[in-house]
Amino acid sequence: QLQLQESGPGLVKPSETLSLTCTVSGGSITSSDSYWGWIRQPPGKGLEWIGHIYYSGSTYSNPSLKSRVTISVDTSKDQFSLELTSVTAADTAVYYCARRGVLIQLPFDSWGQGTLVTVSS
Amino acid sequence: IQLTQSPSFLSASVGDRVTITCRASQGISSYLAWYQQKPGKAPKLLIYAASTLQSGVSSRFSGSGSGTEFTLTISSLQPEDFATYYCQQLNSYPHTFGPGTKVDIK
Repeated sequence: QLQLQESGPGLVKPSETLSLTCTVSGGSITSSDSYWGWIRQPPGKGLEWIGHIYYSGSTYSNPSLKSRVTISVDTSKDQFSLELTSVTAADTAVYYCARRGVLIQLPFDSWGQGTLVTVSS
Repeated sequence: IQLTQSPSFLSASVGDRVTITCRASQGISSYLAWYQQKPGKAPKLLIYAASTLQSGVSSRFSGSGSGTEFTLTISSLQPEDFATYYCQQLNSYPHTFGPGTKVDIK
């Protein structure tokens, strides 16, 4: 059974870079039928799609986050990562990693438990 | 593409039939998914391609629609169904989510 687990600092200072890693187990990140994505949820609010990556490195990120987002993959470790630069309090959220199928109609079907990242000095 | 959901809040009783609507600002064919989220938990996929039930999900959940208007129906609300429900479009990037519908106990 596929499992995803987020890891990274729970507290980040304003203007610094948020860095999270998602470790995939029970399956391979090089699976040809999977995209690996990030979603976030500010406390008490709705879900925001951040972006996703294919194991080859092909990515797409939400334009609302402009050039602050980088999603990368490390196939040797079955991990993919999120970096968000120049964070502010508005980036405080639970960050989820998830897996979706590559066909257009296939949404996120496996999720990590989520990790709360607070931006505060 | 913007998604709206109605209602934003719904109070219902066990056994009720519940319908939630998701509307897209432009046509998205059938590329719509529904998720259920309980407090402190990750979202759970219920429906994809507008009407396809995810494996392992109860058949009391059903979805319909295409184009710009979609519905999620719970045929007979059970205690474990009290949660927040989100739609998500996958027709074009970014894959936006709706604002959510909270289903509470009457």
